Amino acid sequence: GNSVTQMEGPVTLSEEAFLTINCTYTATGYPSLFWYVQYPGEGLQLLLKATKADDKGSNKGFEATYRKETTSFHLEKGSVQVSDSAVYFCALSDPSNYQLIWGAGTKLIIKP
Amino acid sequence: DTGVSQNPRHKITKRGQNVTFRCDPISEHNRLYWYRQTLGQGPEFLTYFQNEAQLEKSRLLSDRFSAERPKGSFSTLEIQRTEQGDSAMYLCASSKVGTSGRGVRTGELFFGEGSRLTVL
Repeated sequence: GNSVTQMEGPVTLSEEAFLTINCTYTATGYPSLFWYVQYPGEGLQLLLKATKADDKGSNKGFEATYRKETTSFHLEKGSVQVSDSAVYFCALSDPSNYQLIWGAGTKLIIKP
Repeated sequence: DTGVSQNPRHKITKRGQNVTFRCDPISEHNRLYWYRQTLGQGPEFLTYFQNEAQLEKSRLLSDRFSAERPKGSFSTLEIQRTEQGDSAMYLCASSKVGTSGRGVRTGELFFGEGSRLTVL
């Protein structure tokens, strides 16, 4: 069946460090892929998305490229800020019914 | 576009009481989802509607939970005889699938701020 695996957290970095949060997926068909972010005490927000192979989603300095050959959608940011501290969820949309399949989430802590 | 709205934002209740949460989705969205989230965990799927039809309900969901979307617009989630284990954030999300518009054919969900339930 469809599944999403993302790296366990917490991930702790210093401000201005380079960020990578790994996400790999298993799916039949051609899912859309998403990164959602949840800031402390808030709901889930869509960070970025990609709907087909080789698409790059980007937002707020974050990027992720839909890699069909490696079934991956890793989240990257060149220089993180304290305000990026949050939990990041990778998800895929099951192409048969558009249901979202979620990763377990990765907590990111950025220290000044 | 006013986004997804949930009420109340926070509910504190005693064990055994019934609670009801309301969700108003984005107006043109035909799908509405309910999720539950506990601290440090990802969203747990509860149920979803397409228009007024409830198409799927989690097999893990207790019979004490019921959801409705009577006119295909807002939805309510009721929990009867609450237990301490029901304490969680209840998230509502909406999407539009099948026709043109935001989120079409991608399954992109738009979430509300959530309703936090505390059962004492």
